[in-house]
Amino acid sequence: AQKVTQAQTEISVVEKEDVTLDCVYETRDTTYYLFWYKQPPSGELVFLIRRNSFDEQNEISGRYSWNFQKSTSSFNFTITASQVVDSAVYFCALSEARYGGSQGNLIFGKGTKLSVKP
Amino acid sequence: ETGVTQTPRHLVMGMTNKKSLKCEQHLGHNAMYWYKQSAKKPLELMFVYSLEERVENNSVPSRFSPECPNSSHLFLHLHTLQPEDSALYLCASSQVLGELYGYTFGSGTRLTVV
Repeated sequence: AQKVTQAQTEISVVEKEDVTLDCVYETRDTTYYLFWYKQPPSGELVFLIRRNSFDEQNEISGRYSWNFQKSTSSFNFTITASQVVDSAVYFCALSEARYGGSQGNLIFGKGTKLSVKP
Repeated sequence: ETGVTQTPRHLVMGMTNKKSLKCEQHLGHNAMYWYKQSAKKPLELMFVYSLEERVENNSVPSRFSPECPNSSHLFLHLHTLQPEDSALYLCASSQVLGELYGYTFGSGTRLTVV
């Protein structure tokens, strides 16, 4: 069965600290996709990144970086020099193969609430 | 504005009421989704529509009734709800069913059932 675990329910840091949000997933598919979404207080989920199972290269985008390790089924997200605007709930998600072979249906973790204090 | 608009933003309804949630997108997407976000639970996929046809119904109680009159609009009709149905209901759309670049989400409707 597909499953995404975000063990950290809430994290609180002080501005400029680095913070890593953990994500562990389970899947029997050999081809799958992993996502991170940000949910600010306004409610909408904002797409941050997608990663396919064949690409284990780490990715950096500004202050954000992602570490994908198939050996440990983890897809962790690090924010460097955190800012107050980073305060949000962050969701990790896994797509499962459906709909005639294409990927579909995102399975979400429970989310990690990040609070960045000034 | 995310491209997917949900109305109303907040809704309080009694258990005997009938109400509808509306979702609208003008992104040219062909697939639309309803998700339920309850406190301390993962987002749960409720319904999936592709080209106005329902392709998935994840064991959702019949007191929730979706409607997709065209590819730009999606409704969730509610009747005789229970207090445990109180949640954030999120609508999403994607270019095609299961679009791999992720879905575009609306801001949700915060529903409280009293």
